[in-house]
Order: sequence, then C-alpha cells, then structure tokens
Amino acid sequence: GAVVSQHPSWVICKSGTSVKIECRSLDFQATTMFWYRQFPKQSLMLMATSNEGSKATYEQGVEKDKFLINHASLTLSTLTVTSAHPEDSSFYICSVRGHSMNTEAFFGQGTRLTVV
Amino acid sequence: DAKTTQPTSMDCAEGRAANLPCNHSTISGNEYVYWYRQIHSQGPQYIIHGLKNNETNEMASLIITEDRKSSTLILPHATLRDTAVYYCIVSGGSNYKLTFGKGTLLTVNP
Repeated sequence: GAVVSQHPSWVICKSGTSVKIECRSLDFQATTMFWYRQFPKQSLMLMATSNEGSKATYEQGVEKDKFLINHASLTLSTLTVTSAHPEDSSFYICSVRGHSMNTEAFFGQGTRLTVV
Repeated sequence: DAKTTQPTSMDCAEGRAANLPCNHSTISGNEYVYWYRQIHSQGPQYIIHGLKNNETNEMASLIITEDRKSSTLILPHATLRDTAVYYCIVSGGSNYKLTFGKGTLLTVNP
C-alpha cells in the first residue's frame, strides 16, 4: 500500500503561535488527502478534504481560517494550526486515497500537538 | 452516509480466531465495507475491504452477509499484537469520505 509520512511526529508549541504539519505521500500521487483530528479516547474526526490545486473542503464546525490546508502538489499537503490554543492539543492524522471509489485509504503515523 | 454499529469491546485468547461483527443496515448498493485498525497512538492501518463477496488476504477474512446489512472481520489466529481498536466503515459511490465510528477495542489475552 501507499506510504504516507507525517512530519513532525510530535510538537509542543506556545499558545498563540502557529504550527505547520506536513503530510507526504511517498509513493503515490494523491489528488485527495484527508485530515483528521483525534482527542484522547475518542475516534477520528474528519476535519477536511484536501484537493490538489484547489481549496480544501471543511467539515461542519471546523474553522477554515484556523486550520489552513494547502495541497500544492500530488505528494504534499500541509495543515497549519494558526494561533494555537490548549484546546487544539490533539492527535492530527492525514490520509491519502486513490481516485477510484473502491480503493482503500492509507494513513500517516499521526502528529501529536501539545499547546502550552 | 451509511452508519455502522460495532460492539464497544471484545476479548480473545491468543492463538484463537477473533470474530468482530459490524452492522451496516443502511448500506447502499455501491458502498463498500472497509475495516481498519488503530494501535494506540498510531495512524489507522488498512486491513481489508469488500463489496458483497467474501474476501481474504494475509491479515484477515471478511464475511459479508447476502443482504449486505452486516459483516464479520475474522483474524484467524490472534496474537497479542492484534490488540487494537477495529473500525468498520462503509464508503463508496457519492460517499467518498471515510467516517470513523467508535470501533471495537479488541484485547487479545495471553
């Protein structure tokens, strides 16, 4: 399956600063990437769908101005958490999926964000 | 989106088969059943998926009922490393997203 790499694996930042998380598809040209957030002991929650060369589609309740997504190439999507606050501390996970409707998705290893 | 229902938790003895059920009674004709698992603090791992026929790969088998309203994931010889949360998801057709429910926490005991 596709290899998906996220960077960094973990990050600690101060309140009010911005943090950028990278998601790379190492062996697969991903026209679509997905960003999820997972709080402790909860399931993954889809935040947005990232489309190469166009604006991301955000799920209801997710602030697009706070969670900036850029998908400038077929192998890289970035998620920037702007003006981070402690409540943004979470596990952020990206995934890539082929264009066909019956293809599986592959996930990165996740990024643990802690805002202090 | 078709919703799925899974038991919250299950236990299995090491070396035995683990059978994880999933109900998806509102599945549409062009939606597939996907199974993923997540080991603590890692990204989800793809296991298997199917439309209506039973499927088998090196990790598991997927049994889908004839009416497609439920399925069972079978890990034939569970090991301690199979302890994880297992997610059953339906996706396909106009529903391209993978929406995760609460999943089943499978604990494999020695």
